[in-house]
Amino acid sequence: DTGVSQDPRHKITKRGQNVTFRCDPISEHNRLYWYRQTLGQGPEFLTYFQNEAQLEKSRLLSDRFSAERPKGSFSTLEIQRTEQGDSAMYLCASSYGAGNSPLHFGNGTRLTVT
Amino acid sequence: GNSVTQMEGPVTLSEEAFLTINCTYTATGYPSLFWYVQYPGEGLQLLLKATKADDKGSNKGFEATYRKETTSFHLEKGSVQVSDSAVYFCALSDLPQGGSEKLVFGKGTKLTVNP
Repeated sequence: DTGVSQDPRHKITKRGQNVTFRCDPISEHNRLYWYRQTLGQGPEFLTYFQNEAQLEKSRLLSDRFSAERPKGSFSTLEIQRTEQGDSAMYLCASSYGAGNSPLHFGNGTRLTVT
Repeated sequence: GNSVTQMEGPVTLSEEAFLTINCTYTATGYPSLFWYVQYPGEGLQLLLKATKADDKGSNKGFEATYRKETTSFHLEKGSVQVSDSAVYFCALSDLPQGGSEKLVFGKGTKLTVNP
């Protein structure tokens, strides 16, 4: 069990650029979640997958955001045409089972949009 | 909608002091309640949980009791250690049986324990 891995740890980008983050969950975990955390706030739910199916998306996830989990293993979160308001820590978590087990979080990707 | 309110931090205590971090919630139905902890440089990890009224979650000397009448889930520890220094997040899920989708988190409370 190597834990949930996120890459990169930090990303600085200019407004208007596209960015993509990757999350590798714990290998046997079938559920994968994305959360966003801004300074001084708790994490906010964005979306989650069971295997390769995206089961729910928050209204926080605007059209500029897209998440995929093509083979039910790793996931990517892409933000197009970044805005300064997208600056945040993006957290990935995974769990095993039908939603009754604890979430294991990665260390997050910190995005700064200049 | 569902929400969680945590006591404002930061909280600074001396080693062996008693800790209480208040957490109240607003939710429809019967949510499950959680405390997550984030140690410096690490990801969030589950500290304890309770899935129904009057349940007490406990772990590593920490306890919290699900109080439906006061809609609260306060975190307590009788004697804190320097290694307890971390940020603590209260959270709820409106799925039964402790299901974790769409956790709603509080803002977090930073605890610093001095030797």
